Amino acid sequence: GNSVTQMEGPVTLSEEAFLTINCTYTATGYPSLFWYVQYPGEGLQLLLKATKADDKGSNKGFEATYRKETTSFHLEKGSVQVSDSAVYFCARSEHTGNQFYFGTGTSLTVIP
Amino acid sequence: KAGVTQTPRYLIKTRGQQVTLSCSPISGHRSVSWYQQTPGQGLQFLFEYFSETQRNKGNFPGRFSGRQFSNSRSEMNVSTLELGDSALYLCASSLEINEQFFGPGTRLTVL
Repeated sequence: GNSVTQMEGPVTLSEEAFLTINCTYTATGYPSLFWYVQYPGEGLQLLLKATKADDKGSNKGFEATYRKETTSFHLEKGSVQVSDSAVYFCARSEHTGNQFYFGTGTSLTVIP
Repeated sequence: KAGVTQTPRYLIKTRGQQVTLSCSPISGHRSVSWYQQTPGQGLQFLFEYFSETQRNKGNFPGRFSGRQFSNSRSEMNVSTLELGDSALYLCASSLEINEQFFGPGTRLTVL
């Protein structure tokens, strides 16, 4: 079943604040881990990914590190912008194919 | 390179009807996966097709089916629609395992 647990939202931050969205997973073996972002009325966009332990994915100022020992993949950004307002999804893969398991999503609103 | 396209973008049906959704993957991608997104259940995997064969299947009833054509385009069919089938249906294409690119989705409303 679904094996990705994501921090509940919604999250509201002021512009330039620090962002952390927690994500933990359960899996047999070592899945790849992802963060996707969804803007209103759109599909999901890949934000970053990590395919093995200790890998750090990064994109557009966002970062997440694959922590095998804590089975976590927390998303961070040092200084959020209004344009970062969206819903963020953590996901993991299955090694047998492109069957992804997603967290429930965290809605982020950044206010000026 | 064009992204994943889904048609139609919006659809309204009534209970008991059937519906077919279409997905055209990124050129060269042979894997197409389908997901259902609802406020209550979140994103749930329906199935994946690779080279015209179903490679993975989620936990959905048999009313949900799909197929893939030789040009990698995929269709998803839902028969005997129920109110609970109202959702955003997302298609994702992949060149390889562990990298999915999503389309904008088809918003299905069942009345």
